[in-house]
Amino acid sequence: NAGVMQNPRHLVRRRGQEARLRCSPMKGHSHVYWYRQLPEEGLKFMVYLQKENIIDESGMPKERFSAEFPKEGPSILRIQQVVRGDSAAYFCASSPAVHTGELFFGEGSRLTVL
Amino acid sequence: DQQVKQNSPSLSVQEGRISILNCDYTNSMFDYFLWYKKYPAEGPTFLISISSIKDKNEDGRFTVFLNKSAKHLSLHIVPSQPGDSAVYFCAAKGISGTYKYIFGTGTRLKVLA
Repeated sequence: NAGVMQNPRHLVRRRGQEARLRCSPMKGHSHVYWYRQLPEEGLKFMVYLQKENIIDESGMPKERFSAEFPKEGPSILRIQQVVRGDSAAYFCASSPAVHTGELFFGEGSRLTVL
Repeated sequence: DQQVKQNSPSLSVQEGRISILNCDYTNSMFDYFLWYKKYPAEGPTFLISISSIKDKNEDGRFTVFLNKSAKHLSLHIVPSQPGDSAVYFCAAKGISGTYKYIFGTGTRLKVLA
């Protein structure tokens, strides 16, 4: 069952380090979304990408955060110089090329910043 | 600006009774609405959806109602089961421009045995 695969599931970083979260979409899906869930909060949209293109990054913090979805390989959400406030669960979701319905979510990557 | 709102952070229901979860939205350009269920330490899983051209969609124990004039949708679960205890998110999507999905803040449902 090739669902949306995220890794690592858990990541611990010290303040100032970099965090890289990876997401492989479902087979045949070319659209990837990243969401962040802070403790006791809902799912906040961060960025929407298609292969090699960022379509909408209106939810991404302007500094330290970046995302890519290369032609080959997984989508990567990169957080530079992490701070304690970056501690959250980061969820990736994918959808087919034609937007006929729902997003399919991965299990999430939980980032803890010490 | 929270475009999709779930004003009840939690709800407790007796097993066998109906659970009603509510969601309000502000953007009239949303044309597709979804409900997701999330267990702790897992990703959200899709439950049911509704297009803006409909006012009701049913799938087994789950029914979603859409009131476009009130910009309101609700999820009915009947009968409720203990395994339904989870956080429920509603989400909305617009058809033109971006295909961004906006999620509400979630309602934690607890079904009491």
